[in-house]
Amino acid sequence: GENVEQHPSTLSVQEGDSAVIKCTYSDSASNYFPWYKQELGKGPQLIIDIRSNVGEKKDQRIAVTLNKTAKHFSLHITETQPEDSAVYFCAASQNYGGSQGNLIFGKGTKLSVKP
Amino acid sequence: GAVVSQHPSWVICKSGTSVKIECRSLDFQATTMFWYRQFPKQSLMLMATSNEGSKATYEQGVEKDKFLINHASLTLSTLTVTSAHPEDSSFYICSATRGGFVGGYTFGSGTRLTVV
Repeated sequence: GENVEQHPSTLSVQEGDSAVIKCTYSDSASNYFPWYKQELGKGPQLIIDIRSNVGEKKDQRIAVTLNKTAKHFSLHITETQPEDSAVYFCAASQNYGGSQGNLIFGKGTKLSVKP
Repeated sequence: GAVVSQHPSWVICKSGTSVKIECRSLDFQATTMFWYRQFPKQSLMLMATSNEGSKATYEQGVEKDKFLINHASLTLSTLTVTSAHPEDSSFYICSATRGGFVGGYTFGSGTRLTVV
């Protein structure tokens, strides 16, 4: 089955700096890779996702890159702000969300942005 | 956008009682719903997958008689924790997907269950 590794487990940056979180996956059949932000006591919120037919996607300060050959994908947050502080999870799925497509999560990265 | 409503957001119950958690997709029909459990400072662990009108598929190690899942309609799935014990205390989260080319997964806000 799919296995998703996520690094680092904790990340501390100064406000305004960039943050990068990396994930690797094992199943080459996976084709959907979302990133979630989870604040304490709340459910995960999708912040960006990428499908296997695309190598990079950007949404304002957030970008995701995907290297299918190496089976890794990364989240990039630029100009970090204190409100970006949260736990971030990467995930992989074998399809776009059909009945076989349950998400496999990484272990999470706790991001702290210091003012 | 897709919205999933989960309630209650928190519940405290006595050992031996049962608790029901509801998950509703408000503005779309969910072909599949997923139930996760999350312990403090840990990742989400999939408990079961349910399709409307079918029996849920449970992950290995999840007791199907303890965690009853009903997916009676395309917009509602329920998780019932039966004969709850303190070790069942956890954060339970549901997710729903439309499947197909639309895809994507929308998560509920989670339910904090405390069994005393």
